[in-house]
Amino acid sequence: SYELTQPPSVSVSPGQTASITCSGDKLGNKYVCWYQHKPGQSPVLVIYEDTKRPSGIPERFSGSNSGNTATLTISGTQAMDEADYYCQAWDSSTAVFGGGTKLTVL
Amino acid sequence: QVQLQESGPGLVKPSETLSLTCTVSGGSIRSYSWSWIRQPAGKGLEWIGRISSSGSTNYNPSLKSRVTMSVDTSKNQFSLKLSSVTAADTAVYYCARGQAAGGANWFDPWGQGSLVTVSS
Repeated sequence: SYELTQPPSVSVSPGQTASITCSGDKLGNKYVCWYQHKPGQSPVLVIYEDTKRPSGIPERFSGSNSGNTATLTISGTQAMDEADYYCQAWDSSTAVFGGGTKLTVL
Repeated sequence: QVQLQESGPGLVKPSETLSLTCTVSGGSIRSYSWSWIRQPAGKGLEWIGRISSSGSTNYNPSLKSRVTMSVDTSKNQFSLKLSSVTAADTAVYYCARGQAAGGANWFDPWGQGSLVTVSS
């Protein structure tokens, strides 16, 4: 079965840039989306179709996808961005999530 | 604005069947796919499967033998049944709308989640 690999944790200082990677075999040939998940809340879509931001998502969130790696970048990270982030792609009509990355803003 | 709300028993006995319903409000259930996704405590998200408004389904191969999904367009609802549950099925269960464009598919929005505990 297809697997997506994310680092368990990423730390960033406020105002700096955070990068969260998601790796999978030939991932660049698939579309990737990203979800932000805060404790006690529902996951929220922050990036879809590799690079697109839904309405209401701040411009500091951006995405890329090439080769075997997709990356979620948060520029000018704010304390409110502290959350778990999950990448997701499809393989053979099955949705696959990465294991999630806990972003700490300190 | 479309909203999703899960409902169903919060406690299910081992070996029995877990049943959840998701009610869609603020929009039609037609023309979209609808998914169930779960998250065990302290773990990541796991996709369970999806159903279209016409009733066609795709299930996670790891759960396929135990999963049944259905849709009721007259009530704007879709449902999940997971049979022969064990403690490993204890999780927060989310329903979500699937959207698609140009070959891409994503989940937006999600329901608030429903905690289901499997215990005797």
